[in-house]
Amino acid sequence: EAAVTQSPRSKVAVTGGKVTLSCHQTNNHDYMYWYRQDTGHGLRLIHYSYVADSTEKGDIPDGYKASRPSQENFSLILELASLSQTAVYFCASSDADSTEVFFGKGTRLTVV
Amino acid sequence: GEKVEQHESTLSVREGDSAVINCTYTDTASSYFPWYKQEAGKSLHFVIDIRSNVDRKQSQRLIVLLDKKAKRFSLHITATQPEDSAIYFCAANEMDSNYQLIWGSGTKLIIKP
Repeated sequence: EAAVTQSPRSKVAVTGGKVTLSCHQTNNHDYMYWYRQDTGHGLRLIHYSYVADSTEKGDIPDGYKASRPSQENFSLILELASLSQTAVYFCASSDADSTEVFFGKGTRLTVV
Repeated sequence: GEKVEQHESTLSVREGDSAVINCTYTDTASSYFPWYKQEAGKSLHFVIDIRSNVDRKQSQRLIVLLDKKAKRFSLHITATQPEDSAIYFCAANEMDSNYQLIWGSGTKLIIKP
């Protein structure tokens, strides 16, 4: 079965600190995504990638960087965490656009 | 760019009745419309989708209808059961951003006994 694994599952970070969220997929999918979920806003796309060593900006990239060092791994980096970045973050993968997306279990990030 | 609006933020139906969740989209070039389910405390998973070459698709108790003229699609859950309680997200692909999915804000479906 398709698997997307996120780590950590939850994290408390201090304002101004650096946070790295990691994602690993065993689906052999080309596309990987980072979404943010806030109550009442559904899912918003932060960054995505369709090939290793390349990332693309999504709808809300400000304050976030992404890294795709291999097909399997995709990281989301918050260089200077802010209170407004408190949210649940989901990583996902798909083998092409417009097909089923497989989600990780999410990371609950709290910035204090 | 594409905007997807999910009209009901919360929907409450009695067990055994049908539930209907509606979404509208703005990009006439959108061609793919999936629905995902998120149970309490869990991640999202795919439930059903429809492509623009058809206007109806059914999978067991789930029916998706697509009205391209009105740019509206809907998820019908028949004979609802307690395990249908969840947040349901609709999405549509967007041509301008390499067909990435644009998501609705979610509808919390509550099944009352």
